[in-house]
Amino acid sequence: NAGVMQNPRHLVRRRGQEARLRCSPMKGHSHVYWYRQLPEEGLKFMVYLQKENIIDESGMPKERFSAEFPKEGPSILRIQQVVRGDSAAYFCASSRGGNEKLFFGSGTQLSVL
Amino acid sequence: KNEVEQSPQNLTAQEGEFITINCSYSVGISALHWLQQHPGGGIVSLFMLSSGKKKHGRLIATINIQEKHSSLHITASHPRDSAVYICAVFSNTGNQFYFGTGTSLTVIP
Repeated sequence: NAGVMQNPRHLVRRRGQEARLRCSPMKGHSHVYWYRQLPEEGLKFMVYLQKENIIDESGMPKERFSAEFPKEGPSILRIQQVVRGDSAAYFCASSRGGNEKLFFGSGTQLSVL
Repeated sequence: KNEVEQSPQNLTAQEGEFITINCSYSVGISALHWLQQHPGGGIVSLFMLSSGKKKHGRLIATINIQEKHSSLHITASHPRDSAVYICAVFSNTGNQFYFGTGTSLTVIP
């Protein structure tokens, strides 16, 4: 019974490139959350998704960032034209329902050169 | 002002001590979560509370909805408890999480 899988574990991009972060929730979980942890800062909520729906994206920057959770396959967090300030650890969590225990992935460490 | 405030920010304890970490929040919530983040970065959910008290091993979490306050207690602390403990609330007026800045706990043998 695999936990929440995130890949890649580490991602290095040059300024202006695109970053695609993937999150496969636990089996049976249809709710996915993305969080960002900037260096020396706490966790910040980015977006909450259910299958094929964005429930709340109030924590996500309006430009360059997008997220999806298709009917089949993992959830994807996409960052276009990355800048140095996007360097952070990006965590994904999943839950069975909207107000249930969270299970976290190991995170993707994004470094923008 | 943050929606979730934690105290203390840093805590050092001797092995065996009883530890309390506090969390106050200012928004209406559906649930409050206590998370543990280890030095390697991995995050584990310890508790999810909407009322009362929960216990798991040496960890106890309580919540007072009227006072908008929660505490995480660790009894008989051990060096392996050293981690960052994070309080997070799921808002009942939106569908998002608010996080405290975390309490960094170091337990010395």
